Amino acid sequence: DAKTTQPPSMDCAEGRAANLPCNHSTISGNEYVYWYRQIHSQGPQYIIHGLKNNETNEMASLIITEDRKSSTLILPHATLRDTAVYYCIVRPPPRGSQGNLIFGKGTKLSVKP
Amino acid sequence: GAVVSQHPSRVICKSGTSVKIECRSLDFQATTMFWYRQFPKQSLMLMATSNEGSKATYEQGVEKDKFLINHASLTLSTLTVTSAHPEDSSFYICSARLGAHYGYTFGSGTRLTVV
Repeated sequence: DAKTTQPPSMDCAEGRAANLPCNHSTISGNEYVYWYRQIHSQGPQYIIHGLKNNETNEMASLIITEDRKSSTLILPHATLRDTAVYYCIVRPPPRGSQGNLIFGKGTKLSVKP
Repeated sequence: GAVVSQHPSRVICKSGTSVKIECRSLDFQATTMFWYRQFPKQSLMLMATSNEGSKATYEQGVEKDKFLINHASLTLSTLTVTSAHPEDSSFYICSARLGAHYGYTFGSGTRLTVV
């Protein structure tokens, strides 16, 4: 699986957009970009994933560059509850229910009032 | 959406005893579940892949005789930490996946403290 690089920490003001970058310059053509977050002492929570098109759901938007070597997760209006460690993971689509996720160190996002 | 239930959420046990952690897929069948371990201020590390009806696959460095995994049904996988020691104190998390077009769903984790 391709390696990802994320800043170790970021701060964001409450109500503002949080933009979390991820570099994955060695990504392969069939690899997806997944984003998860982990609030303290909880299991990780799925946020969004994409292949090459930008994606949006009720939680966030995912912007993938045209060359797919980097992406940005956008939380449009960050709240205090969004304080968590955010993980960017790149991997090929598993077959059926197979496969696993390999977690890096992620970005610790602190949303401040 | 897919829900994975993990119990207990917290457990304290004495050194030398065994502890069982359960992971259930509540509204879907999971032929494969994954067990992770997370030490304080570190990321999740995959321990093993649990396969229904067959032996689990362990990651390098994880003792299969110490961390017993049983996946007897399509909705339940268990992790038993045998002869627990203080260094086994950690946050254990299970995960499963509904299918090819869905994200991974994680349990809420189990905080194990061995005293």
